[in-house]
Amino acid sequence: GAGVSQSPRYKVTKRGQDVALRCDPISGHVSLYWYRQALGQGPEFLTYFNYEAQQDKSGLPNDRFSAERPEGSISTLTIQRTEQRDSAMYRCASSTNPGGSEAFFGQGTRLTVV
Amino acid sequence: AQSVTQLDSQVPVFEEAPVELRCNYSSSVSVYLFWYVQYPNQGLQLLLKYLSGSTLVKGINGFEAEFNKSQTSFHLRKPSVHISDTAEYFCAVSGSGYSTLTFGKGTMLLVSP
Repeated sequence: GAGVSQSPRYKVTKRGQDVALRCDPISGHVSLYWYRQALGQGPEFLTYFNYEAQQDKSGLPNDRFSAERPEGSISTLTIQRTEQRDSAMYRCASSTNPGGSEAFFGQGTRLTVV
Repeated sequence: AQSVTQLDSQVPVFEEAPVELRCNYSSSVSVYLFWYVQYPNQGLQLLLKYLSGSTLVKGINGFEAEFNKSQTSFHLRKPSVHISDTAEYFCAVSGSGYSTLTFGKGTMLLVSP
């Protein structure tokens, strides 16, 4: 596609439910990143992939968070047993290659856990 | 480890006035530096970046930034702002040749007539 596409744009879920957030990167982009942005803060790194391989997951806050990119294109960030503190904007970005100097961001998914 | 400090959470300015948004970073390795802009209900858009070479970097929409290694700063400037520049601005750093970004908390630029 023309840009990075994230879905859904908004998600409201009840505490304890699982959610899956989807990211469709720019076609042909090798690297894909997930960030989380709390209100009033800058984005914080969660994890990233080169092709289908997860290169770094050091930013995932705990084992309720996981991500995959099975075919090296679309990625899913899954949060199990959601908690209110998981409420945030989740942003996906992609770049042409590893170490690429420009990351293109999607519009984000606003997650609200009630 | 790297960190970015944006001391000003909000900067109010009148239209056609100059503006400077401050950014300081800390890093133990060589860095790439970036400024991103976030308009309401939109994704982050790259304004400009410093990778190497000239320390004065020009970006889109008339913005520029200067890399100062001795002061570990990368301040963003525009000589004359427009109402449409109202947005949140994020400074970010990555290790050179490394992909992931560390962002500051952002500065909200509020331009009024």
